Amino acid sequence: DVKVTQSSRYLVKRTGEKVFLECVQDMDHENMFWYRQDPGLGLRLIYFSYDVKMKEKGDIPEGYSVSREKKERFSLILESASTNQTSMYLCASRQTGVVLTNEKLFFGSGTQLSVL
Amino acid sequence: KQEVTQIPAALSVPEGENLVLNCSFTDSAIYNLQWFRQDPGKGLTSLLLIQSSQREQTSGRLNASLDKSSGRSTLYIAASQPGDSATYLCAVFNTDKLIFGTGTRLQVFP
Repeated sequence: DVKVTQSSRYLVKRTGEKVFLECVQDMDHENMFWYRQDPGLGLRLIYFSYDVKMKEKGDIPEGYSVSREKKERFSLILESASTNQTSMYLCASRQTGVVLTNEKLFFGSGTQLSVL
Repeated sequence: KQEVTQIPAALSVPEGENLVLNCSFTDSAIYNLQWFRQDPGKGLTSLLLIQSSQREQTSGRLNASLDKSSGRSTLYIAASQPGDSATYLCAVFNTDKLIFGTGTRLQVFP
């Protein structure tokens, strides 16, 4: 089975700190995604990456950046954490192939970030 | 802009009932639709994926149907069990990303 691992289950940071959230997948997937999940708002896409060194903005990229130096690792960076970035962060990956339509998305277990 | 809605937001049923969860979407130009399960404080687990050319998919006690023309999908859970208690989310694959609904929180009591 595909394994998507997020480095921290819970994280507490202070306003203004630089925060790194790490995600690693072990199935050589090309596509990787970062979502945040908030009550009443559902999952919202922050950034995604088609391949190494490639990145695309999602629906809410403000205040975030990403890094994909290696295929298996996709990092989400909060340059200067703010209280409104307190949320559950979910990483996901997906293989791509000739038949794009039948590829499932696999999620990590999430990182609950609290910014004080 | 694609919007995905799930009704009801919450559902509480006794064990053994057959259930239908609903998902509707506004733009029928989708590649596929996925149903996920999320346990409290955890990540999402993919349950079923229906390609746009398919009408339904089945896995064990789960059956998902897709009607693109009406912008609807249903997840049918047969003979519900307490272990089915979780939040169920549907997501449609539009162009290059998944758009999620806000989920249905299901509780199955013994």
